[in-house]
Amino acid sequence: DQQVKQNSPSLSVQEGRISILNCDYTNSMFDYFLWYKKYPAEGPTFLISISSIKDKNEDGRFTVFLNKSAKHLSLHIVPSQPGDSAVYFCAASEGYSTLTFGKGTMLLVSP
Amino acid sequence: KAGVTQTPRYLIKTRGQQVTLSCSPISGHRSVSWYQQTPGQGLQFLFEYFSETQRNKGNFPGRFSGRQFSNSRSEMNVSTLELGDSALYLCASSLGGGSPLHFGNGTRLTVT
Repeated sequence: DQQVKQNSPSLSVQEGRISILNCDYTNSMFDYFLWYKKYPAEGPTFLISISSIKDKNEDGRFTVFLNKSAKHLSLHIVPSQPGDSAVYFCAASEGYSTLTFGKGTMLLVSP
Repeated sequence: KAGVTQTPRYLIKTRGQQVTLSCSPISGHRSVSWYQQTPGQGLQFLFEYFSETQRNKGNFPGRFSGRQFSNSRSEMNVSTLELGDSALYLCASSLGGGSPLHFGNGTRLTVT
């Protein structure tokens, strides 16, 4: 049973536009959510997180939105840059326990 | 500060053999977690160690085991390798208490 789902395996966006990556979860006990970015041949790198007491968290070009009632979160990247091309993983946990990851979305930002 | 170091980067083994992968966490990090990444499956949790004790274990067979040493370095072992064990094995360390995981670049294991 997949508790964290990233239903879009890939996403293509033009440079300068907004990238929106989506993530759904089924476990209502999850209260801590993170996004990681992964380049080929490298390990995932932490990008941004949000706890369930918030519905939005911003860090520069990256904003994560959390909709608890819909069990949905999204990552917005504005403006998108070619260097943002990578695989993005959504992850969730109950408290500070083990992270459960989605299968990832490959983002391609074209010039 | 040095990042998480995993050795070796690449490994080719034959079915039935065993393998040991090594992970050196970021200095000061006492929590070490291991994940398996296969195409189309994302990152699957293997186990987590904290201060030499296994705190959590994922849904993997007993052929997968690990340990952590007093200096926080960790090893994972896979015995009786199967073709399906071919994957990228990622180690991550953290300070614990909700601080983000910091991943190494992984060990790419190929079983033939």
